[in-house]
Amino acid sequence: SQQGEEDPQALSIQEGENATMNCSYKTSINNLQWYRQNSGRGLVHLILIRSNEREKHSGRLRVTLDTSKKSSSLLITASRAADTASYFCATAEGGNKLTFGTGTQLKVEL
Amino acid sequence: NAGVTQTPKFRVLKTGQSMTLLCAQDMNHEYMYWYRQDPGMGLRLIHYSVGEGTTAKGEVPDGYNVSRLKKQNFLLGLESAAPSQTSVYFCASSRAPQGVISSGANVLTFGAGSRLTVL
Repeated sequence: SQQGEEDPQALSIQEGENATMNCSYKTSINNLQWYRQNSGRGLVHLILIRSNEREKHSGRLRVTLDTSKKSSSLLITASRAADTASYFCATAEGGNKLTFGTGTQLKVEL
Repeated sequence: NAGVTQTPKFRVLKTGQSMTLLCAQDMNHEYMYWYRQDPGMGLRLIHYSVGEGTTAKGEVPDGYNVSRLKKQNFLLGLESAAPSQTSVYFCASSRAPQGVISSGANVLTFGAGSRLTVL
């Protein structure tokens, strides 16, 4: 079963706007990661946030984590057409496995 | 630096045929994983390995076997392919396990994927 569920499933915005996607999970986690997948390609790691962190930034990316609500959000500011991709959250609960959500498909239009 | 390389990239099989997907990494990573990706299902873990000579079952292991004879290679085998195994398969590797520490060593490096169609 999927640990993470992303919301929305699909998002279409104009270039320059901000994009926000959310991830909810079910069990306690060690860390939460976000990955991007361009069409027909493998996943690429974007950012990792530890369970004791609440917010993290990397360039135009901002990730928040609320462990009490078991949720995370990924904000992409000033989006570009090149940001068009699917975005996945993934949770590490313990052991040696990373469990992925179903993804948000982001389309940034010119 | 090639990272994670998967072969083949595409394959069409008939039901009942067998095949092996090869994953090779040149980053000296200890941990390797095989995922399958299906529409609307995200990525699901098939098998993984915590080091040379070790393998373990993931979420959807049935119908697949794996081997890790060399640290840099992780093979995924289908002994008798079924249409339900039509999917895109991704191999990934990491330097550290997922649940012990949280650092850049945890992150997965993925291959480009292998698209398998079983008729």
